[in-house]
Amino acid sequence: GQNIDQPTEMTATEGAIVQINCTYQTSGFNGLFWYQQHAGEAPTFLSYNVLDGLEEKGRFSSFLSRSKGYSYLLLKELQMKDSASYLCAVRERPTYNAGNMLTFGGGTRLMVKP
Amino acid sequence: EADIYQTPRYLVIGTGKKITLECSQTMGHDKMYWYQQDPGMELHLIHYSYGVNSTEKGDLSSESTVSRIRTEHFPLTLESARPSHTSQYLCASAASGGESSYNEQFFGPGTRLTVL
Repeated sequence: GQNIDQPTEMTATEGAIVQINCTYQTSGFNGLFWYQQHAGEAPTFLSYNVLDGLEEKGRFSSFLSRSKGYSYLLLKELQMKDSASYLCAVRERPTYNAGNMLTFGGGTRLMVKP
Repeated sequence: EADIYQTPRYLVIGTGKKITLECSQTMGHDKMYWYQQDPGMELHLIHYSYGVNSTEKGDLSSESTVSRIRTEHFPLTLESARPSHTSQYLCASAASGGESSYNEQFFGPGTRLTVL
């Protein structure tokens, strides 16, 4: 089984930088995903980490430390449209021909203020 | 942009009715999933499929059933809807290994179900 923790809510100012943390415990780690979900909409894929280190994609970066069971999503130059929930999801190594199962954290609701 | 569709988008129905939530994808993905999500809460996996004629129950117990007769289609059925089934239902699909190093799940727009 898996246990995923992330803060429930965060508030930041337009133009600033915000870091959303995620800690996890899993018996067989096989990748960590970050998704963005606007209220009432479906989650959309943001980033993927399977090796330790930082993955950068425009204004968004994601970091992973497998030994610490820790990841963060970094959002730079915040815009009002970044107000959304950010979901951390961990993929577990399959035990039989059944991969790609994700366990989602509760999500962090980010509010960007002017 | 992901090509995964769900209908209806919104459904209000009375207790005891049978309903089917439709999900279709045109990406040729083998893997498909159904999640249940209450407002502001986490996604819970209720069903998944790794291909035609393959279906499994997820982590969250659900009174719904699914079928996978065609690759592109993964409908979810509630035989007798109850108020406790009120929630948002999200369908997702993913490629199998080799097509993408991420094999990320693509989500449909969701069906918001209200059972009176």
